[in-house]
Amino acid sequence: EVQLVESGGGLVQPGRSLRLSCAASGFTFGDYAMHWVRQAPGKGLEWVSGIRSNSGNTGYADSVKGRFTISRDNTKNTLYLQMHSLRGDDTALYYCAKDMGSTSLAPSLDFWGQGTLVTVSS
Amino acid sequence: DIQMTQSPSSLSASVGDRVTITCQASQVISKYVNWYQHKPGKAPKFLIYDASKLETGVPSRFSGSGSGTDFTLTISSLQPEDVATYYCQQYDDLPFTFGPGTSVDIK
Repeated sequence: EVQLVESGGGLVQPGRSLRLSCAASGFTFGDYAMHWVRQAPGKGLEWVSGIRSNSGNTGYADSVKGRFTISRDNTKNTLYLQMHSLRGDDTALYYCAKDMGSTSLAPSLDFWGQGTLVTVSS
Repeated sequence: DIQMTQSPSSLSASVGDRVTITCQASQVISKYVNWYQHKPGKAPKFLIYDASKLETGVPSRFSGSGSGTDFTLTISSLQPEDVATYYCQQYDDLPFTFGPGTSVDIK
């Protein structure tokens, strides 16, 4: 059974940093692209970032480019999202999601975690 | 960036009704649209990819169609468990974008 478990969320002050993790199990992690998607309170889904299976290519939403970095450790079956210079509009539930494929960043997200909440506030 | 719009933003229908949600892209995106179902407090669920291909395990009452700029998600016979928000998502080009969502409930 595919499982994705996010962690690392919490309350953080504006301008500070936070690193999210996503522990994957139930599939061969290194064979698939992975993504982060967020949902701000009362809002819809927003794709944040994606990374190919071999870490060879990454992509970011305009709203986070230059502040967030996605990475993965295929030996630990873990996906990461390093977030810097956090702002109030980064407040959201952050989901980790598995892609159907491996070689393209274009997301078709067939399994999702339950999310980890990030609140940016002073 | 490619903008995705959805209509209606919400709808209320009776059990057994046929429900149609439309999604429009701001530019031609071939068939590169996915559809997701999202229930409150749950992880989103993958329904349809490549505009019309049903994900394994998704009930056959769900179907998708369209290409170019106009896409449709249809529920042929609405069931109580279909109450959710439905999102389209384009994967033709970065940044990959979702529609604003359509909330579906039972009348």
